[in-house]
Amino acid sequence: NAGVMQNPRHLVRRRGQEARLRCSPMKGHSHVYWYRQLPEEGLKFMVYLQKENIIDESGMPKERFSAEFPKEGPSILRIQQVVRGDSAAYFCASSPETGYTGELFFGEGSRLTVL
Amino acid sequence: AQKITQTQPGMFVQEKEAVTLDCTYDTSDQSYGLFWYKQPSSGEMIFLIYQGSYDEQNATEGRYSLNFQKARKSANLVISASQLGDSAMYFCAMRDNNQGGKLIFGQGTELSVKP
Repeated sequence: NAGVMQNPRHLVRRRGQEARLRCSPMKGHSHVYWYRQLPEEGLKFMVYLQKENIIDESGMPKERFSAEFPKEGPSILRIQQVVRGDSAAYFCASSPETGYTGELFFGEGSRLTVL
Repeated sequence: AQKITQTQPGMFVQEKEAVTLDCTYDTSDQSYGLFWYKQPSSGEMIFLIYQGSYDEQNATEGRYSLNFQKARKSANLVISASQLGDSAMYFCAMRDNNQGGKLIFGQGTELSVKP
């Protein structure tokens, strides 16, 4: 499967725990984007990364949220000390290169439930 | 700042009829792209169609066409010959090509196709 791979697909955490969501971009893609979708809402941009570099984090909450895309391995979206309001679907998307103007390729999403 | 507006929270259409989903956008840039994605109840994001700001012809992809009216800043999606499988959420999105690769999404329109 050469598509964008996200895991886990479903994650349940209790308040105060940490959530780690992983994203492997499509083969040949070096740019990754994270979006959050609250129930009954659209996708909200969170962060845009290239390998080892955060390009745009204008949509990231200032506290508890962080993202990385290391030289080797998947991109990780980390949410510390989760609260009920973090319950959402988190989508990862990828694109091939700087200056690309086509569509983003999305994974199937990771659905986080905070109890 | 970029903004995408979808004013129709829900739409109904009879099977085999055509339907138009509205999308207006706001940007100060001259170079940008407009996109439509479909999100069925299973949750994945499916790319449908793309229109570049400099494209003079309206984009078409099978039963999907994009009615691009640049002066009005609108990019409506037209689905011809609706099918039951078209029932889904539809999201309009925009990328300002001078502001990196992220897409900004509208709130979405839920389309229901009646048999």
